[in-house]
Amino acid sequence: DAGVTQSPTHLIKTRGQQVTLRCSPKSGHDTVSWYQQALGQGPQFIFQYYEEEERQRGNFPDRFSGHQFPNYSSELNVNALLLGDSALYLCASSFSAPGLVSSDTQYFGPGTRLTVL
Amino acid sequence: AQSVSQHNHHVILSEAASLELGCNYSYGGTVNLFWYVQYPGQHLQLLLKYFSGDPLVKGIKGFEAEFIKSKFSFNLRKPSVQWSDTAEYFCAVMKTGANNLFFGTGTRLTVIP
Repeated sequence: DAGVTQSPTHLIKTRGQQVTLRCSPKSGHDTVSWYQQALGQGPQFIFQYYEEEERQRGNFPDRFSGHQFPNYSSELNVNALLLGDSALYLCASSFSAPGLVSSDTQYFGPGTRLTVL
Repeated sequence: AQSVSQHNHHVILSEAASLELGCNYSYGGTVNLFWYVQYPGQHLQLLLKYFSGDPLVKGIKGFEAEFIKSKFSFNLRKPSVQWSDTAEYFCAVMKTGANNLFFGTGTRLTVIP
C-alpha cells in the first residue's frame, strides 16, 4: 500500500521564478492538504483540496495556488518566488466522508525541499 | 488566534528514562489532538490521536498522551525511552469540523545510549 508520495525531492529556484510541486495521496484517500515547514518551525497550513476544489485556505498570499485532479493527486504552484519561500513543502492526504465538512486523520508525505536563491 | 505551545525545545534523556513532552493549545471549542513524530531523514508519522472518549490515548511504540480539557493540554508520555526514540515530536490541534492542523514548533528529543 503506497503512502503519500511527493515530487520532486529537492528543487532550487531563483527569485521571481515559478514552481510546481506534485503530490499523490495514499490509496483510498480523496483529500489533499499542503503545508509549509520553515526551518525550525512546525508545518503551517496552506490549503486543502477536496473534489477538485479548494475547501479551506490558510494565511498565505495568492501567489500560492493549487489544483486537484480527478485521480485525487494535487499540485501546489508558487509564483514570483521570494527568498522567504524557501522551506520544506509537505503534502498530507486524508479521507473525507461524504456529507461531512472535514476530513479524517492526515498522513504526510516526505516533502519537497525548495531553495530560493 | 489559535496557537499550540510546546515549551520544551530540546530534551536530552538517557535510555530507560521516562519522558513527558508538554503541549498546550489556546482554543475554547472542541478540538481533535495529535502527536506526530519525525525520525531523522524520515517524514512526519502519526504517533497517536484523540478525537473523543477516553482522555488517555495509547499510540504506537509505547507512547501515550493524556487530554486534560481544563488545562488545554495534551502531554505526550513514555515510561522508558530508547535510543531509537531520538526524533522531533510535533503536537497538532484541529478544531472539530475544520480541515487544517495547527502545529507547535516541535520538541527535539535526543536519547543517549
